[in-house]
Amino acid sequence: SAVISQKPSRDICQRGTSLTIQCQVDSQVTMMFWYRQQPGQSLTLIATANQGSEATYESGFVIDKFPISRPNLTFSTLTVSNMSPEDSSIYLCSASHGFRTDTQYFGPGTRLTVL
Amino acid sequence: QQQVKQSPQSLIVQKGGISIINCAYENTAFDYFPWYQQFPGKGPALLIAIRPDVSEKKEGRFTISFNKSAKQFSLHIMDSQPGDSATYFCAASKAGYQKVTFGIGTKLQVIP
Repeated sequence: SAVISQKPSRDICQRGTSLTIQCQVDSQVTMMFWYRQQPGQSLTLIATANQGSEATYESGFVIDKFPISRPNLTFSTLTVSNMSPEDSSIYLCSASHGFRTDTQYFGPGTRLTVL
Repeated sequence: QQQVKQSPQSLIVQKGGISIINCAYENTAFDYFPWYQQFPGKGPALLIAIRPDVSEKKEGRFTISFNKSAKQFSLHIMDSQPGDSATYFCAASKAGYQKVTFGIGTKLQVIP
């Protein structure tokens, strides 16, 4: 298993600013993922982060808006850049031990409100 | 395009009753079907998962039924308890591919 923590747990930000969300895993993992979840909605994958390579972004998400770092096997960051109210959401980090998708372990999420 | 369709979106069940959530998928390459449980303010947690080589998997009060020909799978919660009240997501992924596609979610409320 893996225990995932995220910082911050919530934040209120002003339009035009940027926020970096940190994701820490208690063990080394192969794959890390970043999701967005609107309250009461499903999860939408933003990108997949592998250590030592650039993140792979899903359709509708771009690196300039959501830059991701993956400096080692236990840590990743997601930055939400030049924020607008439409970016208000819950951002979730998850991790998996295998290249073939098996169990994904999720963090508690970061609730972001953009004014 | 919604590749995993989930229903119902909300469900109210009496304590002790059976909760049933259904999902259907389109991509026949999917070969891993997990169910996640999410409580308010928490991240999703894996509840139970199945691969298409079996038609049913049971863990305690939770059972997945899988119909490969119909491309459907369902979660049954037996003897539902108020503590089961949460949002349940079905999901699917395919071999050698890391991306998991989630259903829209079912908000389950178990009333005493």
